[in-house]
Amino acid sequence: QVQLVQSGGGVVRPGRSLRLSCAASGFTFSDHAMHWVRQVPGKGLEWVALISYDGRQKDYTGSVRGRFSISRDNAKNTLYLQMNSLRTEDTSIYYCVSEIGVKNFDYWGQGTLVTVSS
Amino acid sequence: DVVMTQSPLSLPVTLGQPASISCRSSQSPVNSDGNTYLNWFQQRPGQSPRRLMSKVSDRDSGVPDRFSGSGSGTDFTLKISRVEAEDVGVYYCMQSAHWPYTFGQGTKVEIK
Repeated sequence: QVQLVQSGGGVVRPGRSLRLSCAASGFTFSDHAMHWVRQVPGKGLEWVALISYDGRQKDYTGSVRGRFSISRDNAKNTLYLQMNSLRTEDTSIYYCVSEIGVKNFDYWGQGTLVTVSS
Repeated sequence: DVVMTQSPLSLPVTLGQPASISCRSSQSPVNSDGNTYLNWFQQRPGQSPRRLMSKVSDRDSGVPDRFSGSGSGTDFTLKISRVEAEDVGVYYCMQSAHWPYTFGQGTKVEIK
């Protein structure tokens, strides 16, 4: 079965960096786009970043563009989110999400909490 | 970006009674391939979101048949025919026809 197991996250001071990882299994990772979605605890869902199956295409929501970088290692079946220049407003639960079916969010990781605080 | 508007935002329901959630999009979620990419997700307390429905009414494997999706154009509905205790949580609609994909604000379903 499909599994997305996330790691990374934690508490970090404003301006610092953090990297999230998402290890995928149960499907052909290298064939599918992947996303990061975030959620302020108790609030709604916000799409953050997309990477195409081969890593050539990437896109970001405006508030993180230039600070966050999405990448993938298809040999390791792992998705990453490098978060630089973190701000207090980046505090959220971050989910990795697969796009196995056409134009859909099929499976979600367990989520990892990132807290940006001085 | 396409704006997704859900109503109500809070929905207290009695066990065994029906529930209905509305989702309206600022632009029809019909893609150039002719499909309507309107999806529903359920997020139970303390859990990750889980997809319930794709393309308006295609129920995911394992989703009880008391859940149904309908609608067209810019107006869509998720219905629960008889609410059970395990249905408590927040429900989100999402359009994936137009980039970037966008979510509704969420509707919190709770038991009266």
